[in-house]
Amino acid sequence: TQLLEQSPQFLSIQEGENLTVYCNSSSVFSSLQWYRQEPGEGPVLLVTVVTGGEVKKLKRLTFQFGDARKDSSLHITAAQPGDTGLYLCAGGGSQGNLIFGKGTKLSVKP
Amino acid sequence: DAGVTQSPTHLIKTRGQHVTLRCSPISGHKSVSWYQQVLGQGPQFIFQYYEKEERGRGNFPDRFSARQFPNYSSELNVNALLLGDSALYLCASSPGLGVANEKLFFGSGTQLSVL
Repeated sequence: TQLLEQSPQFLSIQEGENLTVYCNSSSVFSSLQWYRQEPGEGPVLLVTVVTGGEVKKLKRLTFQFGDARKDSSLHITAAQPGDTGLYLCAGGGSQGNLIFGKGTKLSVKP
Repeated sequence: DAGVTQSPTHLIKTRGQHVTLRCSPISGHKSVSWYQQVLGQGPQFIFQYYEKEERGRGNFPDRFSARQFPNYSSELNVNALLLGDSALYLCASSPGLGVANEKLFFGSGTQLSVL
C-alpha cells in the first residue's frame, strides 16, 4: 500500500519566518503534487514535481523532489498570513487516483 | 468559465438515511473523481468515472455508489448512512483520465453531517 506521511502535522509561526514541510513515503512515485486547501474550499494545485532531484520555485515557495522520488519538501520563505492553510502532498495511485498525505496545517500570525 | 460546482454545499442527515451528492465538472472535462475528506485527514479516493464508465474505485463499502451522465455531470450516492460517513465530499474533474501528472480541479465540496 502506498502511503504518504507529512510532517509536521501542525505549524504555527510568526509572519516573516521561514518553514519547511516534509512529505515522505517508502514507495517510489512517478510524480508528486502539492496542494493548498483553505477552510470550506477544495484543494488547489500548487505544483507537480516529476524528475528526481527537481526543484521548482513559485514566488516564495520552493518545492523539491527527492533523488529517489520517494520524498518531497516544501519550503516557504518569509511566510505571510495569506500562506495560512492546509498543505497536502499527493502521489499517483494505481487506479489513476491521487493518494494524499494527511496534510500540514499552517497558521501564520501577523 | 465556471469551475467544478457541487451541490448541496451542506447537508444534515440521520443514521440509516441515504444521500445524493451532485457534481458538475468544468466544461470540456470528461473525468470526474470523488474523494472523502474526514476532519483532520487528507482526501481519500472513492470513485473515478471517465466517459460514463467507472475507471477506479477506492476502498469503500458497497453503500457507496456513483454514476456519470452523458453531460459528464456525476452523482455520488451513499445508502444506510453511518456516523462515520460525516465528512467533506470533494468532486474533482480533469480533461482526460486523470493520471498522476494531470491537473485535477476540485470543487468546494459538500459538507455532510450524519447525526
